[in-house]
Amino acid sequence: RKEVEQDPGPFNVPEGATVAFNCTYSNSASQSFFWYRQDCRKEPKLLMSVYSSGNEDGRFTAQLNRASQYISLLIRDSKLSDSATYLCVVISLTSGTYKYIFGTGTRLKVLA
Amino acid sequence: NAGVTQTPKFRVLKTGQSMTLLCAQDMNHEYMYWYRQDPGMGLRLIHYSVGEGTTAKGEVPDGYNVSRLKKQNFLLGLESAAPSQTSVYFCASMGGLSSGQPQHFGDGTRLSIL
Repeated sequence: RKEVEQDPGPFNVPEGATVAFNCTYSNSASQSFFWYRQDCRKEPKLLMSVYSSGNEDGRFTAQLNRASQYISLLIRDSKLSDSATYLCVVISLTSGTYKYIFGTGTRLKVLA
Repeated sequence: NAGVTQTPKFRVLKTGQSMTLLCAQDMNHEYMYWYRQDPGMGLRLIHYSVGEGTTAKGEVPDGYNVSRLKKQNFLLGLESAAPSQTSVYFCASMGGLSSGQPQHFGDGTRLSIL
């Protein structure tokens, strides 16, 4: 089982729709979590951190479920400009060393 | 605000040639990373460094060497380039792991090996 898993998609949604992605992780000792956005042929950019109590940044909401070991990203009122690949990142403690682990990403296409 | 700067941005090599990719960061970060990303795939960690003078192997280190002689610079070397090393290479830096800080990426080096 991969340490961090994401549905690769693509998720094709109409403009204005609400869409949600999940990311599961295998290490229960995972410490910190992030969502990054990557546009085609560009570098990943930090979208938002994920806090235990959940957090919101405009149209974006991130949630953490430690019991089921997954994080989620909800995008409301999708815009064409939201089309990108969304990467989840998990920082885990393994054999006394912190590891920064990227998921392979979920591709989102917002259609006009 | 420079952040993380990678040079060169594009390069074409012939099989067997050598080259060095440079990553420079101006944020006084301890941790630096080199990743490769192939079309339609995720990031794969090549090597990383947890501080000046230290380096460690990542997931796919074969065919690459690295050096971190200065805190702000992390060099990735290809001693004898192979077509399988055609990829986009990203460098990233981070202040520290235990505090849960995000990684900051450079804008990538697109490398083609013919």
